[in-house]
Amino acid sequence: AQSVTQLDSQVPVFEEAPVELRCNYSSSVSVYLFWYVQYPNQGLQLLLKYLSGSTLVKGINGFEAEFNKSQTSFHLRKPSVHISDTAEYFCAVNPNSGYALNFGKGTSLLVTP
Amino acid sequence: DGGITQSPKYLFRKEGQNVTLSCEQNLNHDAMYWYRQDPGQGLRLIYYSQIVNDFQKGDIAEGYSVSREKKESFPLTVTSAQKNPTAFYLCASSIFSKPGQETQYFGPGTRLLVL
Repeated sequence: AQSVTQLDSQVPVFEEAPVELRCNYSSSVSVYLFWYVQYPNQGLQLLLKYLSGSTLVKGINGFEAEFNKSQTSFHLRKPSVHISDTAEYFCAVNPNSGYALNFGKGTSLLVTP
Repeated sequence: DGGITQSPKYLFRKEGQNVTLSCEQNLNHDAMYWYRQDPGQGLRLIYYSQIVNDFQKGDIAEGYSVSREKKESFPLTVTSAQKNPTAFYLCASSIFSKPGQETQYFGPGTRLLVL
């Protein structure tokens, strides 16, 4: 079974600074990779996803992620964060044979002035 | 507006009581899912359904039951057999065309608390 490891449970960062949220997965087969964001007391919203093709994926709100097959990683980046980016971020993996997602435990991004 | 609605927003359960969480979608999606979220644990899959009248157990189905009598509805019942039901419950849906590739759309969640 595929598993997802989000290496940081909390990431504090100052406004307008760059940020990277790390995600590693374990899989011996091709996978589909996702990043979701959850604002307080809300459901999840898709930021971006990697299915195939270019390893650099651009998403909403200025976020991007790079798929690295040799490193089995899918790190999320943003060059300049805003206060409104404060949220919980989840990396998820789906083996290309089913519908269910395996989620990481989440990374809490806290952006301060 | 299309989307997923969950009700109630907060739900209180007494010992030995079954409670049902509602999930409705008007996105015309075939697949629906229930996840449980605990602090620091991420999301764990309880049940999912790909078509009407069919559903599959996820990783933590014990103590839960579901039904899928209509395409737009996927209610979750938390039974008295679930000994630690306090959590945030999220419902999601997706289209059915490409397994694993589809975006899942989430509802706003129901927070279940035990009295």
